[in-house]
Amino acid sequence: DAKTTQPPSMDCAEGRAANLPCNHSTISGNEYVYWYRQIHSQGPQYIIHGLKNNETNEMASLIITEDRKSSTLILPHATLRDTAVYYCILTSGTYKYIFGTGTRLKVLA
Amino acid sequence: DADVTQTPRNRITKTGKRIMLECSQTKGHDRMYWYRQDPGLGLQLIYYSFDVKDINKGEISDGYSVSRQAQAKFSLSLESAIPNQTALYFCATSETSGNVDEQFFGPGTRLTVL
Repeated sequence: DAKTTQPPSMDCAEGRAANLPCNHSTISGNEYVYWYRQIHSQGPQYIIHGLKNNETNEMASLIITEDRKSSTLILPHATLRDTAVYYCILTSGTYKYIFGTGTRLKVLA
Repeated sequence: DADVTQTPRNRITKTGKRIMLECSQTKGHDRMYWYRQDPGLGLQLIYYSFDVKDINKGEISDGYSVSRQAQAKFSLSLESAIPNQTALYFCATSETSGNVDEQFFGPGTRLTVL
């Protein structure tokens, strides 16, 4: 599976939108973009995924560029509980994930 | 009760000892995984199993072995533990539903090898 590149850390004020970018310039046509987060040292938790179109669920929105070479996870109103490491992962149905080092998001009061 | 459980949650052992980490799931999923996480890094795949008779090596399988005793149980063994295997270990399960292949992670086992 292709690799992803994420900034190592970001800060966001509580109540503001958190926009977490991910570059995946070598993405293949059949690869999905998945986002997970890991709060402290707990097991990672699924957030959202997409292929081409923008997606939204109760937790977040996912914006994928038209060329699919990058994406942005948006937490619309960040809270202190959103402080976590966020991982952007590509997978093509092989059911295997390759985790990068993720983005450590700190939500500030 | 948690869907994916791991035992023990914490373990301290000595170099050269054999140790087994166990994972059980009540989700009914066929696919199970073992990951390792070193401080400040992402998770690395050790082994994965798509059903009881299917075991596959991941990125970092050297020094580890696994056993899939049943659909619900997947164990990870360190035959002769070494200090650089000190890490946080996660078990996960998955099933494809629609176009979602979500992995469900256990709480982790913190292993220290002295």
